[in-house]
Amino acid sequence: AQSVAQPEDQVNVAEGNPLTVKCTYSVSGNPYLFWYVQYPNRGLQFLLKYITGDNLVKGSYGFEAEFNKSQTSFHLKKPSALVSDSALYFCAVRPLDYAGGTSYGKLTFGQGTILTVHP
Amino acid sequence: KAGVTQTPRYLIKTRGQQVTLSCSPISGHRSVSWYQQTPGQGLQFLFEYFSETQRNKGNFPGRFSGRQFSNSRSEMNVSTLELGDSALYLCASSPRLAGAQETQYFGPGTRLLVL
Repeated sequence: AQSVAQPEDQVNVAEGNPLTVKCTYSVSGNPYLFWYVQYPNRGLQFLLKYITGDNLVKGSYGFEAEFNKSQTSFHLKKPSALVSDSALYFCAVRPLDYAGGTSYGKLTFGQGTILTVHP
Repeated sequence: KAGVTQTPRYLIKTRGQQVTLSCSPISGHRSVSWYQQTPGQGLQFLFEYFSETQRNKGNFPGRFSGRQFSNSRSEMNVSTLELGDSALYLCASSPRLAGAQETQYFGPGTRLLVL
């Protein structure tokens, strides 16, 4: 079974500083990894995904994520944090179901990390 | 292009009642998935529909059901509500059957409170 861990419930950074939100995963075979952000009283907003290829993935709003297969990690990063980046961040994985060839639909999410950027 | 819409946005029910939530996917999207979000359990997959057929189902009791219409709109139903069903229910759509690489786009959710 696949799983995702976000080891930090909360991350605090000062505006203008770089930020990192950590994610590790466990899945059989090739992982397909996603980051979503959730603002209060809103749904999830897609940031970026890793499918294959370059280990550094660039996404929306200046975010990027680095896929590290040996460490089974997919950490979200941003060079310079903004106060408006404060939100709840989710890492998610969707594996291949070898029996069926494709894993339909189901995203397995981490527990989420609250990012707070201080002015 | 309009995003995923969900109605109603907020709902209050009492134990034992049933509820129906609605989701309209992004225009042209044919796959709809449902997730439940609670503080304790986080985000959990309920089911996915494509071409009016349920393609995948999560580990939820049979009280949770859904369907999809020919225009790709989807409804989910929860019968005999329990206090633990209080949650934010999120709908997500993707253009095709959500294979491994597909990005799912989420709606704002329906917040259900069961008293």
